[in-house]
Amino acid sequence: SQQGEEDPQALSIQEGENATMNCSYKTSINNLQWYRQNSGRGLVHLILIRSNEREKHSGRLRVTLDTSKKSSSLLITASRAADTASYFCATDHYGQNFVFGPGTRLSVLP
Amino acid sequence: DTEVTQTPKHLVMGMTNKKSLKCEQHMGHRAMYWYKQKAKKPPELMFVYSYEKLSINESVPSRFSPECPNSSLLNLHLHALQPEDSALYLCASSQAQFSGNTIYFGEGSWLTVV
Repeated sequence: SQQGEEDPQALSIQEGENATMNCSYKTSINNLQWYRQNSGRGLVHLILIRSNEREKHSGRLRVTLDTSKKSSSLLITASRAADTASYFCATDHYGQNFVFGPGTRLSVLP
Repeated sequence: DTEVTQTPKHLVMGMTNKKSLKCEQHMGHRAMYWYKQKAKKPPELMFVYSYEKLSINESVPSRFSPECPNSSLLNLHLHALQPEDSALYLCASSQAQFSGNTIYFGEGSWLTVV
């Protein structure tokens, strides 16, 4: 399967701490995207990183991509209770539709 | 705020009913998608329309029937569903298929089959 695999499956942290989630995949990608999903809601796009990029930032989010290790990480700094959600990576394999990983459930405790 | 609008937000239907889920986007996107999502699982692709033509059908049972009346609208017709079809159904769109563009999702329609 080309599906990305997130790690950890679940993560609980205190407000103000940083949260790091990882995504690994098996075959070459065109790009990789991270999405957030609040409970029972639709998915919200966070960041797209292309295969020739190594790092991207957006506000408190930092995404890295290591194509040699076929992995990506999402770092959320200074987490807030509102960051509580499921986070999915989605990998774009050339000529195929996005494949979502199983997700990481993040709980930020006040 | 999402620019992909789905209706209804919640739907309860019996196994003999016929109902439809509707999706609309006005971003000029030419690819539209239906995903199915069960609790604590990632979205699973069901159908893709590209330029109003069915591009991908991921071996979805025929009790689900997609329709793309025009470039802005996407429907999912439901008939003779089973309780295991209860899930969150997500519509999404992107500028084009296979282009590596961002996929924008609607808020979803919660379907319960009784």
